[in-house]
Amino acid sequence: ETGVTQSPTHLIKTRGQQVTLRCSSQSGHNTVSWYQQALGQGPQFIFQYYREEENGRGNFPPRFSGLQFPNYSSELNVNALELDDSALYLCASSLDRGRGGPNTEAFFGQGTRLTVV
Amino acid sequence: RKEVEQDPGPFNVPEGATVAFNCTYSNSASQSFFWYRQDCRKEPKLLMSVYSSGNEDGRFTAQLNRASQYISLLIRDSKLSDSATYLCVVKITNAGKSTFGDGTTLTVKP
Repeated sequence: ETGVTQSPTHLIKTRGQQVTLRCSSQSGHNTVSWYQQALGQGPQFIFQYYREEENGRGNFPPRFSGLQFPNYSSELNVNALELDDSALYLCASSLDRGRGGPNTEAFFGQGTRLTVV
Repeated sequence: RKEVEQDPGPFNVPEGATVAFNCTYSNSASQSFFWYRQDCRKEPKLLMSVYSSGNEDGRFTAQLNRASQYISLLIRDSKLSDSATYLCVVKITNAGKSTFGDGTTLTVKP
């Protein structure tokens, strides 16, 4: 077990609705990254939060937003859901030691499988 | 062209075989490299980091060629339990973004 937990595990939403996905990072980790994984593809980077601030964003529209809390847990919010948003959403936590420090590997939660109908 | 490219496979090999996967990346500023394993409908799990000098973990050997911008993973003496999708991951240190390939599917058969 990685210690990264996501909720809910499965979710069905209607097109146009909004959704909030949650992630609790592994103890001692200060960085959370969110990914979208469509069937048959690798995870696509959405964004990363480091010490409560966005630290990099992938090619996703502004209706994908997030935040990180002081305890380093995180939320991913998606507004105006589209059918193509149906995917597995993965959260990964890691420890980044700031500029000049080595990267640590990321550990993933089990994911939230979102279906938009 | 994708930033990280992998041969999707599938690779179908018998138990005991040696199999190698390659991964190429386009951003020469990339500094950290990893192989992850993903079982069907599960989350990716770290298999191993890839170091410049190459590294080995049991039956698994990872190598990095910066000049040619590719990473390889060699699996020796394949086991049935090695059947999975292997994801190549490239990261630019401190840039916040990890880029995944689409994975290579391996099936090891009795």
